[in-house]
Amino acid sequence: NAGVTQTPKFQVLKTGQSMTLQCAQDMNHNSMYWYRQDPGMGLRLIYYSASEGTTDKGEVPNGYNVSRLNKREFSLRLESAAPSQTSVYFCASSELAGGNQPQHFGDGTRLSIL
Amino acid sequence: GQQVMQIPQYQHVQEGEDFTTYCNSSTTLSNIQWYKQRPGGHPVFLIQLVKSGEVKKQKRLTFQFGEAKKNSSLHITATQTTDVGTYFCAGLAGTYKYIFGTGTRLKVLA
Repeated sequence: NAGVTQTPKFQVLKTGQSMTLQCAQDMNHNSMYWYRQDPGMGLRLIYYSASEGTTDKGEVPNGYNVSRLNKREFSLRLESAAPSQTSVYFCASSELAGGNQPQHFGDGTRLSIL
Repeated sequence: GQQVMQIPQYQHVQEGEDFTTYCNSSTTLSNIQWYKQRPGGHPVFLIQLVKSGEVKKQKRLTFQFGEAKKNSSLHITATQTTDVGTYFCAGLAGTYKYIFGTGTRLKVLA
C-alpha cells in the first residue's frame, strides 16, 4: 500500500519550460490537493479537487493548471515555468473534502527553475 | 485574506524541557488539524480538534482548541530527540480548504 505517490522527486527546469507533476493515490480517496511549500511560509494550497470531475482554485493558482484524470490521479502543470515557482510541491489526498478528514501527503517534488 | 499565524517560528530546547507552539487565525475556524514534518520529509497528520475548548492528549502531546475557535496550541512535555521537526496547524476555511500556519521548527538538543 503505497499511499500517495509523486513523480518526479526532483526536477530542474529552465525559465519558460513546461512540466507536469504527477500524483496518484491508492487509498480510494475522493479528494486531492496540490500545495507548495516555501521556507518560512508553510504550505499554500494551489488547487484542489473535491471529487472526481471537479477542480477548484486554492490560495495561489496563478501559473498553474490541474487535471483530475480519474479518481486516483491528479496532475499539476506549469505551462511556462518562472523562478518564483521554485519550491517543494506536495500532493495530498483525503477520503472526503474538508470536514473531519486528515490529509495524507506524498513525499514531494523538489522543483528548481533557473 | 484569511491567515493562520504560528509562534514561535523556531524553538531550540534541551532534551527533557517542555515545548509549546501557538496557532492564531484571523477568522473563526470550523476545525483545526495539526501535522508534523520531519526534516526532509512530508507532513504527517497528528490530530484534529472540532469543538470549542476541546483538549486532546496523545502521550506527551497535548492539543487545545480555543473557546472562540480562533486559536490553538500544541504542548509537548519532556521533549525527546524524536520530537525534532516542524509542527503545522491547519484551519478549515470554508468547506474544503485548509489554511496552513507558517509552522514552528523544533530542535531538541541532547
